[in-house]
Amino acid sequence: SYELTQPLSVSVALGQTARITCGGSNIRSKNVHWYQKKPGQAPVLVVYRDNNRPSEIPERFSGSNSGNTATLTISRAQAGDEADYFCQVWDSSAYVFGTGTKVTVL
Amino acid sequence: QVQLQESGPGLVKPSETLSLTCTVSAGSISSYYWNWIRQPPGKGLEWIGYIYYSGTTNYNPSLKSRVTISLDTSKNQFSLKLSSVTAADTAVYYCASGVAVTGTSYFDYWGQGTLVTVSS
Repeated sequence: SYELTQPLSVSVALGQTARITCGGSNIRSKNVHWYQKKPGQAPVLVVYRDNNRPSEIPERFSGSNSGNTATLTISRAQAGDEADYFCQVWDSSAYVFGTGTKVTVL
Repeated sequence: QVQLQESGPGLVKPSETLSLTCTVSAGSISSYYWNWIRQPPGKGLEWIGYIYYSGTTNYNPSLKSRVTISLDTSKNQFSLKLSSVTAADTAVYYCASGVAVTGTSYFDYWGQGTLVTVSS
């Protein structure tokens, strides 16, 4: 089965840029989607199909996908961006989640 | 905008069957994958399975032997049954809609989640 690997944690200074990676075999051949998960809340879709944002998501969130790594970039990080982030792909008609990354804003 | 709401017991005894229902409102049950996803305490998201509006199902291989997802279009509801539960099945359970686009699918709407604890 397909596997997605993310770093356990990423730290970013307030106002700086955070990059969260999602590794998978030839992931560039798949569409990657990203979710933000805060404690006690349902996940929220922040990027879909590699680099598209739902209308309610700030432009500070962007995505890219190349080779074996997809990346979610959070620019001008804010305290409210502190959360867990999960990547997800569709593989063989099934959903696969990444292992998740905790983002801490310092 | 589609809204989803989970309902069901918050406490299940070991070896029994966990049963949850998701009610879909402000939208049609057609043209979506209807999913169950869970998050055990302190762990990541785990996809459990889906039922497509046509009735086709697909389950996570790690849970397949214990999972059944069904659809009741007359009530705009879909349900999860997970049999022979253990403490490892303690988690927040979410229902979510999966939008189908060319070559992929992602979750656009989620329920608020419901905590199910497995304990005697």
